[in-house]
Amino acid sequence: DTAVSQTPKYLVTQMGNDKSIKCEQNLGHDTMYWYKQDSKKFLKIMFSYNNKELIINETVPNRFSPKSPDKAHLNLHINSLELGDSAVYFCASSHVLNRGRYGYTFGSGTRLTVV
Amino acid sequence: AQTVTQSQPEMSVQEAETVTLSCTYDTSESDYYLFWYKQPPSRQMILVIRQEAYKQQNATENRFSVNFQKAAKSFSLKISDSQLGDAAMYFCAYRSADDKIIFGKGTRLHILP
Repeated sequence: DTAVSQTPKYLVTQMGNDKSIKCEQNLGHDTMYWYKQDSKKFLKIMFSYNNKELIINETVPNRFSPKSPDKAHLNLHINSLELGDSAVYFCASSHVLNRGRYGYTFGSGTRLTVV
Repeated sequence: AQTVTQSQPEMSVQEAETVTLSCTYDTSESDYYLFWYKQPPSRQMILVIRQEAYKQQNATENRFSVNFQKAAKSFSLKISDSQLGDAAMYFCAYRSADDKIIFGKGTRLHILP
């Protein structure tokens, strides 16, 4: 069983479209995250949710909106896609009791290409 | 704000040799965690090793070990007996008190057969 699963793995879309990336974890973790990895491989946190509550909200355009229906799911919706949104988006999860011990568990990433 | 610096964008090592990847960080916190993550071409982020700042003993995981120098804010990764499967991007990471993991820009490691 995949611990943190993201769908889709690849997403090609046109500028101006709206798209969503889904993430689910079956580890029983209480916190989930979205990270963006740009073309230079730099990873930067975007959002985190703890038990469905938004905890971290970095400087991200309002076109990006995370949604957490329950603590096992954290989806990322992107409106009005722009060329600069092309990147790999990683979902991750952790548990408050052991995130220092084990860091985060990452999904396999979604490569978003905006054309 | 915390920062993580990896000064070596790329490194190469001969198979079976030892290589050390450098990482320095800046923080005013006294208690924190440090990690090394590996990202092979498959794109998966894999935790290689972790270190609690309050522990003086350097962490070791099989062929991977760290040299943690808290006063110098240095956290290097040593890979012994390098194998072809070790070829990947390696990211040094710092977990801050507000639960962000801050990554360095990565070091691409090539293993030469």
